[in-house]
Amino acid sequence: AQKVTQAQTEISVVEKEDVTLDCVYETRDTTYYLFWYKQPPSGELVFLIRRNSFDEQNEISGRYSWNFQKSTSSFNFTITASQVVDSAVYFCALSEERGSTLGRLYFGRGTQLTVWP
Amino acid sequence: GAGVSQSPRYKVTKRGQDVALRCDPISGHVSLYWYRQALGQGPEFLTYFNYEAQQDKSGLPNDRFSAERPEGSISTLTIQRTEQRDSAMYRCASSPGAPGPYEQYFGPGTRLTVT
Repeated sequence: AQKVTQAQTEISVVEKEDVTLDCVYETRDTTYYLFWYKQPPSGELVFLIRRNSFDEQNEISGRYSWNFQKSTSSFNFTITASQVVDSAVYFCALSEERGSTLGRLYFGRGTQLTVWP
Repeated sequence: GAGVSQSPRYKVTKRGQDVALRCDPISGHVSLYWYRQALGQGPEFLTYFNYEAQQDKSGLPNDRFSAERPEGSISTLTIQRTEQRDSAMYRCASSPGAPGPYEQYFGPGTRLTVT
Protein backbone atom coordinates (compact mmCIF):
# COMPACT_ATOMS: atom_id res chain seq x y z
CA ALA A 1 0.00 0.00 0.00
CA GLN A 2 1.18 3.48 -0.79
CA LYS A 3 2.27 5.22 2.39
CA VAL A 4 2.13 8.67 0.81
CA THR A 5 -0.50 9.71 -1.69
CA GLN A 6 -0.34 12.83 -3.78
CA ALA A 7 -3.55 12.66 -5.72
CA GLN A 8 -2.83 15.70 -7.87
CA THR A 9 -0.59 14.65 -10.71
CA GLU A 10 -0.42 18.05 -12.39
CA ILE A 11 -1.57 21.53 -11.44
CA SER A 12 -1.42 24.63 -13.62
CA VAL A 13 -1.94 28.13 -12.28
CA VAL A 14 -1.31 31.64 -13.45
CA GLU A 15 1.26 33.74 -11.68
CA LYS A 16 0.10 35.34 -8.42
CA GLU A 17 -2.54 32.71 -7.80
CA ASP A 18 -2.43 30.72 -4.59
CA VAL A 19 -2.07 26.97 -4.96
CA THR A 20 -2.34 24.07 -2.52
CA LEU A 21 -0.63 20.74 -3.02
CA ASP A 22 -2.25 17.86 -1.20
CA CYS A 23 -0.50 15.06 0.66
CA VAL A 24 -2.16 12.21 2.50
CA TYR A 25 -0.10 9.69 4.42
CA GLU A 26 -0.64 6.35 6.08
CA THR A 27 1.26 4.97 9.04
CA ARG A 28 0.62 2.93 12.17
CA ASP A 29 3.40 4.64 14.08
CA THR A 30 2.62 7.30 16.64
CA THR A 31 5.96 8.98 16.00
CA TYR A 32 6.72 9.87 12.43
CA TYR A 33 8.04 12.70 10.32
CA LEU A 34 6.77 14.38 7.20
CA PHE A 35 8.79 16.17 4.56
CA TRP A 36 8.36 18.19 1.41
CA TYR A 37 10.96 18.28 -1.35
CA LYS A 38 11.09 20.35 -4.52
CA GLN A 39 12.45 19.04 -7.81
CA PRO A 40 12.91 21.94 -10.25
CA PRO A 41 13.43 21.34 -13.98
CA SER A 42 17.17 21.06 -13.37
CA GLY A 43 16.45 17.78 -11.61
CA GLU A 44 17.91 18.10 -8.15
CA LEU A 45 15.86 17.36 -5.04
CA VAL A 46 15.71 20.29 -2.65
CA PHE A 47 14.64 19.87 0.98
CA LEU A 48 11.88 22.28 2.01
CA ILE A 49 10.54 21.25 5.40
CA ARG A 50 10.36 18.53 8.05
CA ARG A 51 7.62 18.19 10.66
CA ASN A 52 7.22 15.64 13.42
CA SER A 53 3.96 13.99 14.35
CA PHE A 54 3.72 15.77 17.69
CA ASP A 55 3.80 19.24 16.24
CA GLU A 56 0.58 20.13 14.47
CA GLN A 57 1.27 23.82 14.42
CA ASN A 58 1.08 25.26 10.93
CA GLU A 59 4.29 26.66 9.58
CA ILE A 60 4.90 29.62 7.33
CA SER A 61 8.09 30.46 5.51
CA GLY A 62 7.74 33.43 3.21
CA ARG A 63 5.23 32.51 0.53
CA TYR A 64 5.20 28.87 1.63
CA SER A 65 2.96 27.45 4.31
CA TRP A 66 2.21 23.96 5.52
CA ASN A 67 -0.94 22.62 7.13
CA PHE A 68 -0.53 19.43 9.15
CA GLN A 69 -3.73 17.71 10.31
CA LYS A 70 -3.41 14.37 12.05
CA SER A 71 -7.17 13.89 12.07
CA THR A 72 -7.19 13.61 8.30
CA SER A 73 -3.59 12.31 7.93
CA SER A 74 -2.76 15.21 5.69
CA PHE A 75 0.21 17.51 5.29
CA ASN A 76 -0.72 20.04 2.66
CA PHE A 77 1.54 22.66 1.14
CA THR A 78 0.33 26.07 0.01
CA ILE A 79 2.21 28.54 -2.14
CA THR A 80 0.85 32.05 -1.92
CA ALA A 81 1.16 34.43 -4.85
CA SER A 82 2.84 31.81 -7.02
CA GLN A 83 5.71 32.72 -9.30
CA VAL A 84 7.10 31.15 -12.45
CA VAL A 85 10.15 30.01 -10.47
CA ASP A 86 7.85 27.84 -8.35
CA SER A 87 7.32 25.56 -11.34
CA ALA A 88 8.64 22.17 -10.27
CA VAL A 89 7.65 18.72 -9.14
CA TYR A 90 6.90 18.69 -5.43
CA PHE A 91 7.24 15.51 -3.39
CA CYS A 92 5.78 14.73 -0.02
CA ALA A 93 7.59 12.07 2.04
CA LEU A 94 7.15 10.14 5.27
CA SER A 95 9.71 8.72 7.67
CA GLU A 96 8.71 6.27 10.37
CA GLU A 97 10.60 5.73 13.56
CA ARG A 98 10.34 1.95 13.81
CA GLY A 99 13.69 0.22 13.97
CA SER A 100 13.56 -1.82 10.78
CA THR A 101 12.93 1.13 8.48
CA LEU A 102 14.47 3.93 10.51
CA GLY A 103 15.59 6.78 8.32
CA ARG A 104 14.00 5.51 5.13
CA LEU A 105 11.93 8.10 3.28
CA TYR A 106 8.72 7.01 1.59
CA PHE A 107 7.90 9.39 -1.21
CA GLY A 108 4.66 10.13 -2.96
CA ARG A 109 4.54 10.21 -6.74
CA GLY A 110 4.85 13.96 -6.84
CA THR A 111 2.77 16.83 -8.13
CA GLN A 112 3.94 18.73 -11.20
CA LEU A 113 3.21 22.41 -10.64
CA THR A 114 3.34 24.74 -13.63
CA VAL A 115 3.03 28.46 -13.04
CA TRP A 116 2.29 30.45 -16.19
CA PRO A 117 3.30 34.10 -16.53
CA GLY B 1 30.07 24.06 1.67
CA ALA B 2 30.05 21.32 -0.91
CA GLY B 3 26.89 19.32 -1.29
CA VAL B 4 26.44 15.67 -2.16
CA SER B 5 28.16 14.79 -5.41
CA GLN B 6 27.55 11.84 -7.67
CA SER B 7 29.41 10.49 -10.64
CA PRO B 8 28.98 9.90 -13.43
CA ARG B 9 26.01 12.19 -14.01
CA TYR B 10 24.98 10.17 -17.05
CA LYS B 11 25.79 6.58 -17.90
CA VAL B 12 24.76 4.67 -20.98
CA THR B 13 25.61 1.00 -20.94
CA LYS B 14 24.75 -2.09 -22.88
CA ARG B 15 22.62 -4.81 -21.41
CA GLY B 16 24.73 -7.31 -19.54
CA GLN B 17 27.49 -4.90 -18.54
CA ASP B 18 28.30 -4.01 -14.95
CA VAL B 19 28.12 -0.40 -13.76
CA ALA B 20 29.41 1.36 -10.67
CA LEU B 21 27.81 4.56 -9.44
CA ARG B 22 29.64 6.73 -6.98
CA CYS B 23 28.38 8.99 -4.22
CA ASP B 24 30.43 11.48 -2.20
CA PRO B 25 28.33 12.70 0.74
CA ILE B 26 28.52 15.98 2.58
CA SER B 27 31.60 15.98 4.75
CA GLY B 28 30.91 14.66 8.22
CA HIS B 29 27.52 13.21 7.40
CA VAL B 30 27.06 9.91 9.14
CA SER B 31 24.20 8.42 7.18
CA LEU B 32 24.11 7.72 3.47
CA TYR B 33 21.12 6.57 1.46
CA TRP B 34 20.57 5.29 -2.06
CA TYR B 35 17.27 5.74 -3.90
CA ARG B 36 16.09 4.95 -7.39
CA GLN B 37 13.67 7.21 -9.22
CA ALA B 38 11.78 6.09 -12.30
CA LEU B 39 10.41 8.70 -14.66
CA GLY B 40 7.28 10.30 -13.28
CA GLN B 41 7.65 8.64 -9.89
CA GLY B 42 9.02 9.55 -6.50
CA PRO B 43 12.34 8.17 -5.30
CA GLU B 44 12.25 4.62 -3.93
CA PHE B 45 14.57 3.51 -1.16
CA LEU B 46 17.31 1.03 -1.99
CA THR B 47 19.71 0.89 0.95
CA TYR B 48 21.41 2.93 3.66
CA PHE B 49 24.61 3.09 5.65
CA ASN B 50 25.45 4.30 9.10
CA TYR B 51 29.15 5.10 8.79
CA GLU B 52 30.50 2.04 6.96
CA ALA B 53 27.82 -0.37 8.16
CA GLN B 54 25.07 -1.23 5.74
CA GLN B 55 22.05 -1.12 8.04
CA ASP B 56 19.28 -1.89 5.63
CA LYS B 57 19.45 -3.31 2.14
CA SER B 58 15.90 -4.51 1.93
CA GLY B 59 15.10 -2.10 -0.90
CA LEU B 60 17.65 -3.57 -3.29
CA PRO B 61 15.59 -5.20 -6.06
CA ASN B 62 17.67 -8.36 -6.44
CA ASP B 63 21.15 -9.75 -5.91
CA ARG B 64 22.53 -7.96 -8.97
CA PHE B 65 22.51 -4.81 -6.88
CA SER B 66 25.07 -4.21 -4.16
CA ALA B 67 26.48 -1.24 -2.31
CA GLU B 68 29.44 -0.48 -0.11
CA ARG B 69 30.84 2.36 1.93
CA PRO B 70 34.16 0.93 3.11
CA GLU B 71 35.57 3.95 4.94
CA GLY B 72 32.35 5.53 6.02
CA SER B 73 32.48 8.27 3.43
CA ILE B 74 32.27 7.60 -0.32
CA SER B 75 29.81 4.94 -1.38
CA THR B 76 29.51 2.86 -4.53
CA LEU B 77 26.35 1.28 -5.85
CA THR B 78 27.12 -1.55 -8.26
CA ILE B 79 24.71 -3.14 -10.67
CA GLN B 80 25.88 -6.35 -12.28
CA ARG B 81 24.61 -7.72 -15.60
CA THR B 82 22.47 -4.68 -16.21
CA GLU B 83 19.02 -5.04 -17.71
CA GLN B 84 16.86 -2.50 -19.48
CA ARG B 85 14.53 -2.31 -16.48
CA ASP B 86 17.44 -0.93 -14.44
CA SER B 87 17.24 2.31 -16.42
CA ALA B 88 16.39 5.09 -13.97
CA MET B 89 17.80 8.01 -12.02
CA TYR B 90 19.87 6.80 -9.09
CA ARG B 91 20.03 9.26 -6.25
CA CYS B 92 22.25 9.39 -3.23
CA ALA B 93 21.46 11.35 -0.08
CA SER B 94 23.27 12.01 3.17
CA SER B 95 22.18 13.25 6.56
CA PRO B 96 24.14 14.43 9.55
CA GLY B 97 22.79 12.13 12.25
CA ALA B 98 22.58 8.44 12.84
CA PRO B 99 19.79 6.85 10.81
CA GLY B 100 16.69 8.64 11.82
CA PRO B 101 14.14 11.20 10.78
CA TYR B 102 16.65 13.83 9.77
CA GLU B 103 16.39 15.75 6.55
CA GLN B 104 18.31 14.09 3.78
CA TYR B 105 20.31 16.12 1.32
CA PHE B 106 20.29 14.72 -2.15
CA GLY B 107 22.91 14.70 -4.84
CA PRO B 108 22.20 15.52 -8.50
CA GLY B 109 21.71 11.86 -9.37
CA THR B 110 23.12 9.52 -12.00
CA ARG B 111 20.90 8.95 -15.02
CA LEU B 112 21.45 5.33 -16.06
CA THR B 113 20.31 4.14 -19.45
CA VAL B 114 20.65 0.49 -20.36
CA THR B 115 20.38 -0.19 -24.08
